[in-house]
Amino acid sequence: EADIYQTPRYLVIGTGKKITLECSQTMGHDKMYWYQQDPGMELHLIHYSYGVNSTEKGDLSSESTVSRIRTEHFPLTLESARPSHTSQYLCASSSDRGGEKLFFGSGTQLSVL
Amino acid sequence: GENVEQHPSTLSVQEGDSAVIKCTYSDSASNYFPWYKQELGKRPQLIIDIRSNVGEKKDQRIAVTLNKTAKHFSLHITETQPEDSAVYFCAAIFRGGGADGLTFGKGTHLIIQP
Repeated sequence: EADIYQTPRYLVIGTGKKITLECSQTMGHDKMYWYQQDPGMELHLIHYSYGVNSTEKGDLSSESTVSRIRTEHFPLTLESARPSHTSQYLCASSSDRGGEKLFFGSGTQLSVL
Repeated sequence: GENVEQHPSTLSVQEGDSAVIKCTYSDSASNYFPWYKQELGKRPQLIIDIRSNVGEKKDQRIAVTLNKTAKHFSLHITETQPEDSAVYFCAAIFRGGGADGLTFGKGTHLIIQP
């Protein structure tokens, strides 16, 4: 079934650790996005990609980085996690045509101690 | 800068009553207005959207209306049910298309009282 998969679902780590949040989609979409969201709060775009080898920063400044080597895969990396990075990270994709309709993954809830 | 204002931040209604959530936007060039529903602990999901060439759109118990002159759009839910309890986000596209141009409102927590 076409979907967007995020792993891990929950992650608790110590300060200073390097982490990678995984996102894969089988939707066949070219555009992919990362949003940061505190529980029940607004969605902030932190990264997006139009396709392979394309990455752009979003509206909210983030210390994370992303890569897009394969169409279906859009991982997000934090080189040195801090407590201020504690949040939910949502991956999303949209189709080429129009591209406005977002399909979200289930998210990764990150807690940095 | 450009932004989307959403009101109220919390809305509590009796089961069976109607709920209305309102959003205003600042850029008259915006042409696409989606609404997302996020249940507790789940992913946001698109529930309805409207384009600027349409004034109203309905899908069963939910409807969206758009007033381009006043630059506001609203979500209407009739005959509310417990499963309507969620956070609802409105959004608008400012930058000519593509979801990277989406600006979201801050969300409305809708609580359906039994």
